[in-house]
Amino acid sequence: KQEVTQIPAALSVPEGENLVLNCSFTDSAIYNLQWFRQDPGKGLTSLLLIQSSQREQTSGRLNASLDKSSGRSTLYIAASQPGDSATYLCASEGTYKYIFGTGTRLKVLA
Amino acid sequence: SQTIHQWPATLVQPVGSPLSLECTVEGTSNPNLYWYRQAAGRGLQLLFYSVGIGQISSEVPQNLSASRPQDRQFILSSKKLLLSDSGFYLCAWSEGQELFFGEGSRLTVL
Repeated sequence: KQEVTQIPAALSVPEGENLVLNCSFTDSAIYNLQWFRQDPGKGLTSLLLIQSSQREQTSGRLNASLDKSSGRSTLYIAASQPGDSATYLCASEGTYKYIFGTGTRLKVLA
Repeated sequence: SQTIHQWPATLVQPVGSPLSLECTVEGTSNPNLYWYRQAAGRGLQLLFYSVGIGQISSEVPQNLSASRPQDRQFILSSKKLLLSDSGFYLCAWSEGQELFFGEGSRLTVL
C-alpha cells in the first residue's frame, strides 16, 4: 500500500528565501508525481506534474524533481513571496489512484 | 477548456439525515472521477473513484456511497449521516495523468 510523507509539516520563512519541500513515497512503481497548492478553505490547484519518465519540471519560480528509485520528490521555490503562503501537497499516481501526503503548511513573512 | 463544478459549497446537516453532493465536469469525455475527504488537520483520503459510467471503486469502508449516472457526473451520498462524516469533500477528475479539483464542499454534521 502506497504511503506518502511530506516533511516538514510546517515552515515559516522570511520573504525572499529559497526553500525546499520534501515528499517521499514507499512504492516506486508510480506513473506520475504531482504537486498542488491549497489555500485555506479552497480546493487544490495543480502546480506541477512530473511524469515517471521525467526527472524534473519547472514553472516560473517553482521547480519539482523526481527520483523514483529513492522514492523522493522535492519542490523548490525560489525567492519566496508572501503570496506563496499556502499548504503544499504532493500526490503519487498509481493505477487510477492518486495518494496524497499530509502537506507542508508554508508561511512566508513580509 | 475543462471545468469542474461541485455543489453545494457548504452544508450543515443533523445526524441521521441523508446526504447528496454532486460534481460535474465539462469539456472532456470519459474522465476518471474521484471523491476525496479532508478532515480537519489531516491529509486527503481517497473515498471513491470511477473510470466509467456505473463503475465505482470504494477505497475505505464507510457510511458513504458514490454513483456515476452519466459520463461526467459523480454523486456522493449517504442514507444516514454520522458525526464523523464531517469534513471537506473534494471532487476531482483526470484523463489519466494530471488531476484537477473542484472547489470543495464543507459538510458539518451536528
